[in-house]
Amino acid sequence: SQTIHQWPATLVQPVGSPLSLECTVEGTSNPNLYWYRQAAGRGLQLLFYSVGIGQISSEVPQNLSASRPQDRQFILSSKKLLLSDSGFYLCAWRDPGRTEAFFGQGTRLTVV
Amino acid sequence: AQTVTQSQPEMSVQEAETVTLSCTYDTSESDYYLFWYKQPPSRQMILVIRQEAYKQQNATENRFSVNFQKAAKSFSLKISDSQLGDAAMYFCAYRNYGQNFVFGPGTRLSVLP
Repeated sequence: SQTIHQWPATLVQPVGSPLSLECTVEGTSNPNLYWYRQAAGRGLQLLFYSVGIGQISSEVPQNLSASRPQDRQFILSSKKLLLSDSGFYLCAWRDPGRTEAFFGQGTRLTVV
Repeated sequence: AQTVTQSQPEMSVQEAETVTLSCTYDTSESDYYLFWYKQPPSRQMILVIRQEAYKQQNATENRFSVNFQKAAKSFSLKISDSQLGDAAMYFCAYRNYGQNFVFGPGTRLSVLP
């Protein structure tokens, strides 16, 4: 069966520090991968999506970047965090042949 | 661009009763998918139910069912026999073929014992 792993679950980082959030999917190949951000009490904002290795599309220009070094690995990064980067980050995947997306457990990022 | 609207920021229901959450969307496409996701306090998003727009029959999953009105671009979720574990944020979502998901702002559902 397919599973998605996202870590860390919680992260507190100082302003100006780097960021790396990792997401991996098991049990499938060539998934579509997504990074979303959710502000407190708000909906989901799509940050990046990828349909294949090295293929990244950015939905919102900001202080973040994404990479897909392997088929089932998706990384969200920042060189210098801002206070406004605080939020809840969700990774998701979708089998290209199916309709629905499945989500990881999320990372709560607090920038102090 | 497609948009998804959930006009009820908060709803409450008595345990064992029925509640309906509203969702409307805007699209010019004829083929697409609609979803309801649940986000409990743990904050992991869980798929509740999905509907293909080409299907006239409303989807059902145990106590969860939808009322899909394609012409009205409406996609409501009915929860029957509400349980305490149903308390969560509920997100309506849309996806066109080959496109990404568009999520509504969410409805927070409280279940009263």
